[in-house]
Amino acid sequence: DVKVTQSSRYLVKRTGEKVFLECVQDMDHENMFWYRQDPGLGLRLIYFSYDVKMKEKGDIPEGYSVSREKKERFSLILESASTNQTSMYLCASSSPTTTEQYFGPGTRLTVT
Amino acid sequence: GQNIDQPTEMTATEGAIVQINCTYQTSGFNGLFWYQQHAGEAPTFLSYNVLDGLEEKGRFSSFLSRSKGYSYLLLKELQMKDSASYLCAVWALEYGNKLVFGAGTILRVKS
Repeated sequence: DVKVTQSSRYLVKRTGEKVFLECVQDMDHENMFWYRQDPGLGLRLIYFSYDVKMKEKGDIPEGYSVSREKKERFSLILESASTNQTSMYLCASSSPTTTEQYFGPGTRLTVT
Repeated sequence: GQNIDQPTEMTATEGAIVQINCTYQTSGFNGLFWYQQHAGEAPTFLSYNVLDGLEEKGRFSSFLSRSKGYSYLLLKELQMKDSASYLCAVWALEYGNKLVFGAGTILRVKS
């Protein structure tokens, strides 16, 4: 059974803290993605990666960075968390041949 | 562009049929996905259409017309557990290996 896991389901952080969200997939997928999901706005792409050590900006990269040191792991970093980054964060992976994305369970981040 | 439009909300009755529409504008269309997302959970794959026509999978069917930039998801014999958000996502050459998602349609099934 294919699996994408995320390090936390719920997270509460203070403004200004550095936040790490981890995502691991066991399908040997090349592509990995980080989205945030807000009511009425749908899924918005933050960053994605096509290979180890590669990263590309999505539609809303400001305030975020990513790291992909190993194929199975893709980390999202909030350098200095702000209240407008309170959201649901979803990680996904896909192979380049099928493009179907498999999603992790999500991390609901609250920044106070 | 990345214009993908879906209705925001729909309500239907248990046992009925509901059709959720999705329209898009893109160049180099490669395919269209439908995902289901229950509240607080991750999206799960429902269907993928790349050619025109209807794809049937049990109670769920998905239709695509590439010339019209139009798709719909048809849910038959609605059950309460079908209450969820339904996301339309487009894969196109201009997007590379990314999918672009619509905002989703919240479907409420009432008894």
